[in-house]
Amino acid sequence: DAKTTQPPSMDCAEGRAANLPCNHSTISGNEYVYWYRQIHSQGPQYIIHGLKNNETNEMASLIITEDRKSSTLILPHATLRDTAVYYCIVRAQGGSEKLVFGKGTKLTVNP
Amino acid sequence: DTAVSQTPKYLVTQMGNDKSIKCEQNLGHDTMYWYKQDSKKFLKIMFSYNNKELIINETVPNRFSPKSPDKAHLNLHINSLELGDSAVYFCASSQTQGSSPLHFGNGTRLTVT
Repeated sequence: DAKTTQPPSMDCAEGRAANLPCNHSTISGNEYVYWYRQIHSQGPQYIIHGLKNNETNEMASLIITEDRKSSTLILPHATLRDTAVYYCIVRAQGGSEKLVFGKGTKLTVNP
Repeated sequence: DTAVSQTPKYLVTQMGNDKSIKCEQNLGHDTMYWYKQDSKKFLKIMFSYNNKELIINETVPNRFSPKSPDKAHLNLHINSLELGDSAVYFCASSQTQGSSPLHFGNGTRLTVT
């Protein structure tokens, strides 16, 4: 079972920041927080991941609370192409560990 | 230069047939996975192979048989197809060491009639 809780849907205006929350209150010390998204029926696309420090890449920023029980994915300037289902996943270190997907958040970016 | 590629993209077949889906990755990863996404859009892991060895088998009917001829390939063979097998099947790969993320293919949409 997924160890994360996300709102089922969110809306965001084009050009504005999209902030997607995720709760993972039972996260273990060796578990990372990963974010993926799935646009329509394409394969899930990796966005970003982190352990305890905030992370930023060309796609997004990841803010993890100090107690690591929740995190926020930030898309700084959402575009229509960012409309997708966003999945927050916790996964232990070790590349053979499986990703367990929950229901995710359906983000709709509106013009 | 596709990282994880699956063939075919679409597969339509009749109940009772046997079919295979192929997956190849050119990322140099040592672990590969098969995921199934049903009509309700839930993504569930089916199998995982590390260096050609099966390491995850998630309560999948034995009509499904993965085969990994080398660490860059993980094929999925399905015997005696049933209507409930209709879904999108995604292949993925990752590197064992560290926190390497999974990279997914674009899926194979299987329709059983």
